[in-house]
Amino acid sequence: AQKVTQAQTEISVVEKEDVTLDCVYETRDTTYYLFWYKQPPSGELVFLIRRNSFDEQNEISGRYSWNFQKSTSSFNFTITASQVVDSAVYFCALSEARGGSNYKLTFGKGTLLTVNP
Amino acid sequence: EAQVTQNPRYLITVTGKKLTVTCSQNMNHEYMSWYRQDPGLGLRQIYYSMNVEVTDKGDVPEGYKVSRKEKRNFPLILESPSPNQTSLYFCASSGGLPPATQYFGPGTRLLVL
Repeated sequence: AQKVTQAQTEISVVEKEDVTLDCVYETRDTTYYLFWYKQPPSGELVFLIRRNSFDEQNEISGRYSWNFQKSTSSFNFTITASQVVDSAVYFCALSEARGGSNYKLTFGKGTLLTVNP
Repeated sequence: EAQVTQNPRYLITVTGKKLTVTCSQNMNHEYMSWYRQDPGLGLRQIYYSMNVEVTDKGDVPEGYKVSRKEKRNFPLILESPSPNQTSLYFCASSGGLPPATQYFGPGTRLLVL
């Protein structure tokens, strides 16, 4: 069974600090996909990134970066120079690539990030 | 604009009164899904559909029905709502080979009294 753990329930930082959100996953499949979504206070779910299990290259997009390490089953998300607009709940999610599981996203419980001015 | 829409966005109802939450996407996606989000439980899949007339249960299907008569629409039906179905509901769609990225609607906040 697939599982995603986001151990940090809440994180509070001051603007311009760097912050890393942790995500640890469990799966028996060798092929799987990992995702991060952002849920701002307005409530919608915004897609941030998708990564497959064969691509361990780190990704950078502006102030956002992702560190995928299969050896530790982790897919961590770092925001550099955080801003108040980054305040949101961030979800890590996993989808396995075969059978009925490939139609399902298994979400972690989310990390509430508060960036204070 | 490519999007997933849901209606209504907010709904207060009473126990036992049938309701339907509509979901529509304009991206010609084959796959659509419903999730519910609850505090402390995160997001859980209710039902999904691989294409027209093809649906299957997710993790928490009890008390819900779905139908997929057209590619763009995937309504969620609560035949006899109960207070434990008070939740935030999201519809999602994706195209291409699974597990493709799922794009979510804005959410429907339901309160069952």
